[in-house]
Amino acid sequence: EDQVTQSPEALRLQEGESSSLNCSYTVSGLRGLFWYRQDPGKGPEFLFTLYSAGEEKEKERLKATLTKKESFLHITAPKPEDSATYLCALYGGSQGNLIFGKGTKLSVKP
Amino acid sequence: DTAVSQTPKYLVTQMGNDKSIKCEQNLGHDTMYWYKQDSKKFLKIMFSYNNKELIINETVPNRFSPKSPDKAHLNLHINSLELGDSAVYFCASSQDSAYGREQYFGPGTRLTVT
Repeated sequence: EDQVTQSPEALRLQEGESSSLNCSYTVSGLRGLFWYRQDPGKGPEFLFTLYSAGEEKEKERLKATLTKKESFLHITAPKPEDSATYLCALYGGSQGNLIFGKGTKLSVKP
Repeated sequence: DTAVSQTPKYLVTQMGNDKSIKCEQNLGHDTMYWYKQDSKKFLKIMFSYNNKELIINETVPNRFSPKSPDKAHLNLHINSLELGDSAVYFCASSQDSAYGREQYFGPGTRLTVT
């Protein structure tokens, strides 16, 4: 069964303290792994798509990487405005739906 | 310009009522979706429409009926609302239904059934 598991569920960082969020997955034929950011009371905001192992993408303080079993979202020197829930997703299932993980809630304290 | 918009933002209603949520996208996308996010924040697909035709219909009660008058609009009608329908409903769109397309989400509609 296609599955997406994110860890940790919650992460508290001090401003400037770099860390990584993990998304491990099982899927029969990866057709794209997606990272989204969701702020409270808002819809998920698209960040990155990764298609093949070894691929990396960067945006400001965020860098997403992909292996054959997992993806990492590295956050370098985070700021309080990076606080949000980060969601990982991939296409899978019998109908090729976008399957989401449960997210990692990131809090960055000044 | 709002890419994917939904109305209303909040919806409070009583059990047994019928309600609708509207969604519009101005991205020129061919495919639109409805998702449900439950109290544990788990986001799950409900329906997908491509060029006004249903292509994904996950296991949702028949009380939920999507309608797409044109490819820029996808509405969700819910009959005989139940307490368990309380959740945040998100509309999304993508360029087309090909695998690997990123999806863009609306701001959500918080439905509360009392």
